[in-house]
Amino acid sequence: DQQVKQNSPSLSVQEGRISILNCDYTNSMFDYFLWYKKYPAEGPTFLISISSIKDKNEDGRFTVFLNKSAKHLSLHIVPSQPGDSAVYFCAASTPTGTASKLTFGTGTRLQVTL
Amino acid sequence: GAVVSQHPSRVICKSGTSVKIECRSLDFQATTMFWYRQFPKQSLMLMATSNEGSKATYEQGVEKDKFLINHASLTLSTLTVTSAHPEDSSFYICIVGGDYYGYTFGSGTRLTVV
Repeated sequence: DQQVKQNSPSLSVQEGRISILNCDYTNSMFDYFLWYKKYPAEGPTFLISISSIKDKNEDGRFTVFLNKSAKHLSLHIVPSQPGDSAVYFCAASTPTGTASKLTFGTGTRLQVTL
Repeated sequence: GAVVSQHPSRVICKSGTSVKIECRSLDFQATTMFWYRQFPKQSLMLMATSNEGSKATYEQGVEKDKFLINHASLTLSTLTVTSAHPEDSSFYICIVGGDYYGYTFGSGTRLTVV
C-alpha cells in the first residue's frame, strides 16, 4: 500500500524554467511533509518542509504547496539550474512530539537541460 | 544543524558473511533512529525503528534475526546484516529525528553481496 505517491518517475526541464514535481498521499493523518533531493551515490538531503497548517512554504528558489483537500503537494523550483538535476523524494509523517517515521514516495528524477 | 555520520558508505561482502553499518549522531542525542532500505526504483522503505536502551521495533516482513539492530547509546545505532545474500544488496540509510525538530539523514550505505 503506497501511501505516498510520485506518479512521474522522471521530468526534463530546460534551464531557467520552472520545475514542478508532484506528490499525492492517501493517509489523512499525515500532517507534516518534506521534500528531499538525492544525487547518485549520496544520501538524501533535506530541501524544504511544510506543516499541514500552511498551504505554502518558500525557501529561495524552492516553494512547496500543499492542498490538503486534494491530498496533494508540489515542489516548484524557479529558476531551474543544471545542479538541480537529481532524484526528488517527497515524504510524510505525523509528528506527535515523539519520533515519527517518514513515509516516502518513489521519487522523481529531474533532469535540467542547458 | 544536526549531523549524522553513517559508515561505511560502500561495502562489498561475500555471501554468507555479516556486515555492520554504523549510524552516529555527532552533535545531539538521539533516542530514536530509523533504518531504511531502498531497492532500485522503489521508495525508501522503513525496516525498523531503533530505540536507545531497548529492543528495536521491526516492520512487518523484516527478519529480526537477519537484520540485527543495536542502539546501545544515545549517539550510536548499528545495523548488522547477518548471513548476507545477494538479495540483501541494497541501499541502507539511517534517519534520525522525527520529533518537532525535523529529520537528519545519514549518508547511506551501498551494500553489495557477491
